[in-house]
Amino acid sequence: NAGVTQTPKFQVLKTGQSMTLQCAQDMNHEYMSWYRQDPGMGLRLIHYSVGAGITDQGEVPNGYNVSRSTTEDFPLRLLSAAPSQTSVYFCASSSLGAGGQPQHFGDGTRLSIL
Amino acid sequence: GESVGLHLPTLSVQEGDNSIINCAYSNSASDYFIWYKQESGKGPQFIIDIRSNMDKRQGQRVTVLLNKTVKHLSLQIAATQPGDSAVYFCAETVKGGSEKLVFGKGTKLTVNP
Repeated sequence: NAGVTQTPKFQVLKTGQSMTLQCAQDMNHEYMSWYRQDPGMGLRLIHYSVGAGITDQGEVPNGYNVSRSTTEDFPLRLLSAAPSQTSVYFCASSSLGAGGQPQHFGDGTRLSIL
Repeated sequence: GESVGLHLPTLSVQEGDNSIINCAYSNSASDYFIWYKQESGKGPQFIIDIRSNMDKRQGQRVTVLLNKTVKHLSLQIAATQPGDSAVYFCAETVKGGSEKLVFGKGTKLTVNP
């Protein structure tokens, strides 16, 4: 049982480049979410999805896009990378929403924007 | 607003002692609280949760206490072990269908042998 799998684990980008962070879960969870974690900070919600075809914004959505075409996958897209987006990105999933049960987290993607 | 904070950013204890990690939350409408443990280079790992209709919940070596009067949450770890060294986060969800989990900044627990 792989749980939540994030790829890549590390990435370095130049300002203005675009990329997609991948997230996949094999637990048939309806709820998936993306967070960013900056040094000395807790996690902040970027976008979330309560099921295939449904997404919504979190606390810090600017500069990021998401889509949910399948239950298993929830990719996060950086349209034009900026140094302020240097962070560790975590994907999470749960069978119920954030208020229903604890979310399972992946091990993160460490992203540096030069 | 919706924010979760912590009283102490770091905590150092001796192996075998009990640890208490505190968390203050500001939204009285929050109804679900979770403690996560994060080890270096890893994602947050669920420890224990509690709903607002409870004051206390116990797990294996861990207890969560909720004081709604003063909006305070604590995590107690019994007989702390070196493997407990990590950053601990509390998180809350506000009642009303908002599918958003708000995290505190974390407390770094160091267990000395």
